[in-house]
Amino acid sequence: EPEVTQTPSHQVTQMGQEVILRCVPISNHLYFYWYRQILGQKVEFLVSFYNNEISEKSEIFDDQFSVERPDGSNFTLKIRSTKLEDSAMYFCASTDWTGGRGKLFFGSGTQLSVL
Amino acid sequence: AQTVTQSQPEMSVQEAETVTLSCTYDTSESNYYLFWYKQPPSRQMILVIRQEAYKQQNATENRFSVNFQKAAKSFSLKISDSQLGDTAMYFCALSKTSYDKVIFGPGTSLSVIP
Repeated sequence: EPEVTQTPSHQVTQMGQEVILRCVPISNHLYFYWYRQILGQKVEFLVSFYNNEISEKSEIFDDQFSVERPDGSNFTLKIRSTKLEDSAMYFCASTDWTGGRGKLFFGSGTQLSVL
Repeated sequence: AQTVTQSQPEMSVQEAETVTLSCTYDTSESNYYLFWYKQPPSRQMILVIRQEAYKQQNATENRFSVNFQKAAKSFSLKISDSQLGDTAMYFCALSKTSYDKVIFGPGTSLSVIP
């Protein structure tokens, strides 16, 4: 089965530093997402991306966050100035929407620790 | 606004027995999609089963089946012949379309006891 690939699997950073989380969605997929999960809590939607622009974002996705699809394969999430509360597992996901039968594929996540 | 509620934070079941996880949701949409995701200790998100709201028939996937009650906005997951590998966090989830954002419930931690 095709996979969404995320790198790195773990990222440790100092508060105030910029981080970029990287994702390679499945090649024929058109819709891309970032979700996060603080340890022990539910999975929360951050942002969706389609046709090279943000289609929806949550309240969590403030000016400190940005997404980019710099080429035909990568999809990145940047946090400009990390805070302690940004520590979480970040999941990338993609789907192709095959007439309503599309399946959302999740990557294995990047665990971000802000010290 | 769409919401998903799971009232059972933790459950346990004996190996080979059957267990049912509860989920209720709220949405103003007439058609939508419901999902159960499994998250084992590795924290990978794995789709267990999906249900399209306009379909009357309950979805089944091997040992996993759902009881979808649209009027009651209830979507429970039944796991038959529970196996040790079923030990995981289970999230009920909802989306308006198959490509819209997915709203997750708080999860139910299931432990399968040998």
